[in-house]
Amino acid sequence: NAGVMQNPRHLVRRRGQEARLRCSPMKGHSHVYWYRQLPEEGLKFMVYLQKENIIDESGMPKERFSAEFPKEGPSILRIQQVVRGDSAAYFCASSPPATQNEQFFGPGTRLTVL
Amino acid sequence: KNEVEQSPQNLTAQEGEFITINCSYSVGISALHWLQQHPGGGIVSLFMLSSGKKKHGRLIATINIQEKHSSLHITASHPRDSAVYICAVPTYGGATNKLIFGTGTLLAVQP
Repeated sequence: NAGVMQNPRHLVRRRGQEARLRCSPMKGHSHVYWYRQLPEEGLKFMVYLQKENIIDESGMPKERFSAEFPKEGPSILRIQQVVRGDSAAYFCASSPPATQNEQFFGPGTRLTVL
Repeated sequence: KNEVEQSPQNLTAQEGEFITINCSYSVGISALHWLQQHPGGGIVSLFMLSSGKKKHGRLIATINIQEKHSSLHITASHPRDSAVYICAVPTYGGATNKLIFGTGTLLAVQP
């Protein structure tokens, strides 16, 4: 059973471009959390999704950021018109339906905006 | 006041020393997580515990629900233990178990 997969591991974008970060949860997991770790700061919650539904997006900036978790395929965190302040490590975690307490983390995507 | 606080923020130890990292939280919780992150690396979940004590190899985690406090201990520390150790608690109640994280403890174990 492969762990949580994220790709790309490293992503470089110029200001104004779009960034797409992918997260494939562990097999059988239908819950996905996205967290962001800004440089020199701690991890912060962004968004929580179940298959085809956004349950809690209270930590996600209202503009330029969106997330989805389609019925088929990975969860996508999309950042439009990136700015330098978006440079960070983005982690996703997945959990099975029955035990939401236990979250398994992916290796993260490190986004650098030039 | 942060909902999850860790101490110390930085810790330097000599190889072989016994290490303790502390975590205090102010919210009601169903479980507490201890995570490990190597510089530039991913996050590894070490423990999830809701009561008592858990042990895995040289790592021991304890929690006191009444006092809202948890400790992570490393016995016979080794340079490969050098990493950031983070405690995290899920928000209590509601539809989500999003985690609230401490600021982390940067551990450096010198040979």
